[in-house]
Amino acid sequence: EVQLVQSGAEVKKPGESLKISCKGSGYTFTTYWIGWVRQMPGKGLEWMGIIYPGDSDTTYSPSFQGQVTMSADKSITTAYLQWNSLKASDSAIYYCARHGRGYCSGDRCSPSGMDVWGQGTTVTVSS
Amino acid sequence: ELTQPPSVSVSPGQTARITCSGDALSKRYAHWYQQKSGQAPVLVIHEDTKRPSGIPERFSGSSSGTVATLSITGAQVEDEGDYYCNSGDSSGNHWVFGGGTKVTVL
Repeated sequence: EVQLVQSGAEVKKPGESLKISCKGSGYTFTTYWIGWVRQMPGKGLEWMGIIYPGDSDTTYSPSFQGQVTMSADKSITTAYLQWNSLKASDSAIYYCARHGRGYCSGDRCSPSGMDVWGQGTTVTVSS
Repeated sequence: ELTQPPSVSVSPGQTARITCSGDALSKRYAHWYQQKSGQAPVLVIHEDTKRPSGIPERFSGSSSGTVATLSITGAQVEDEGDYYCNSGDSSGNHWVFGGGTKVTVL
């Protein structure tokens, strides 16, 4: 079964650092793009950025550039999202999702729709 | 930018249509997601018209020009939730979601 399993809920104070994880299984982790999505309380989905675990090629949404860092450890099929200094406004649910395969050239495919989602990680930042 | 109506309401058995408009859609695919309360989103249509395995046949997608449409033919109470469209740019590395549409079936 293809699945993404995210780390558990976090409660942090402003200024603290945090790294959440997303472990993929049931497929070749290195050949599918992983996207991260934020959902603030009562709001819609926001695309944060995308990473290709095969070579850690990463692109950030302008809204999140410099605010978060995405990484991946292909040896343990896990993607990460991290903050160096959290703010109260970072309180949200964060989802990782696998992008399906679009156009392929050799082993590398462009990302298509997000076909597998993690269960979400709730991050609460409060003093 | 992708624009969706905030809400759509239909009676059970009727057809719900949700639009997603944006200039990029004339050249790029639209993908659609269903999110029920307290749950992670689920892909219901990808590449404008393709239905993933396990998604009921009552869900269908179409696209014309700068507008993509998700249709739920014979909507059921269990189809209530928020629906989002998204699309990527030509590089595939920049994506955007529509604002979401709340579907009510009653």
